Amino acid sequence: AQKITQTQPGMFVQEKEAVTLDCTYDTSDQSYGLFWYKQPSSGEMIFLIYQGSYDEQNATEGRYSLNFQKARKSANLVISASQLGDSAMYFCAMREVSGGGADGLTFGKGTHLIIQP
Amino acid sequence: DTGVSQDPRHKITKRGQNVTFRCDPISEHNRLYWYRQTLGQGPEFLTYFQNEAQLEKSRLLSDRFSAERPKGSFSTLEIQRTEQGDSAMYLCASSFSAGDSGNTIYFGEGSWLTVV
Repeated sequence: AQKITQTQPGMFVQEKEAVTLDCTYDTSDQSYGLFWYKQPSSGEMIFLIYQGSYDEQNATEGRYSLNFQKARKSANLVISASQLGDSAMYFCAMREVSGGGADGLTFGKGTHLIIQP
Repeated sequence: DTGVSQDPRHKITKRGQNVTFRCDPISEHNRLYWYRQTLGQGPEFLTYFQNEAQLEKSRLLSDRFSAERPKGSFSTLEIQRTEQGDSAMYLCASSFSAGDSGNTIYFGEGSWLTVV
């Protein structure tokens, strides 16, 4: 089973609209972290936002917020007031602290977001 | 620029040749990671170092791949006898030690490898 599932391969959104990118995850760990990264065509992975499994409040960073629903194991990224520069690939990732396997991040397959003027 | 830097950014090589990529992490970070990303996929973990010690290697890292971090600062990833299937972007990242899950991992811009 995939650990990170992003069900939207691509999305088109009008500029200035809000957009929600879906992410569900699978883990048996109690302690874990969820991350969102943006990857423009240049290739660099840009960190956007982080949510810890014990955080009771949803994380926010500027126009980015993370809608964390622990019971449903979902961690959707919300971008408010989208801009043309938001067009990029977006990856959801998880880091499991106590589990075995890689200490690094496990990524989903990504969502290609295109903002239209 | 104090971010993660990688060199070269692009490399085209003939099948069978060896290639080496270099990564300079953020200076105060003691963990360094290598990932591989192929077209249409998310990055996949290859290996990571804490200081100079290589603590984990993915099964994706075949015997043709070797990574080093000799002084706990920069790292190199060498691919010997390259194959066309090695064509990918190789991403380096760094972070502080993971005392909890929240230590953010920062990535470089990646090194694109094309094997012809």
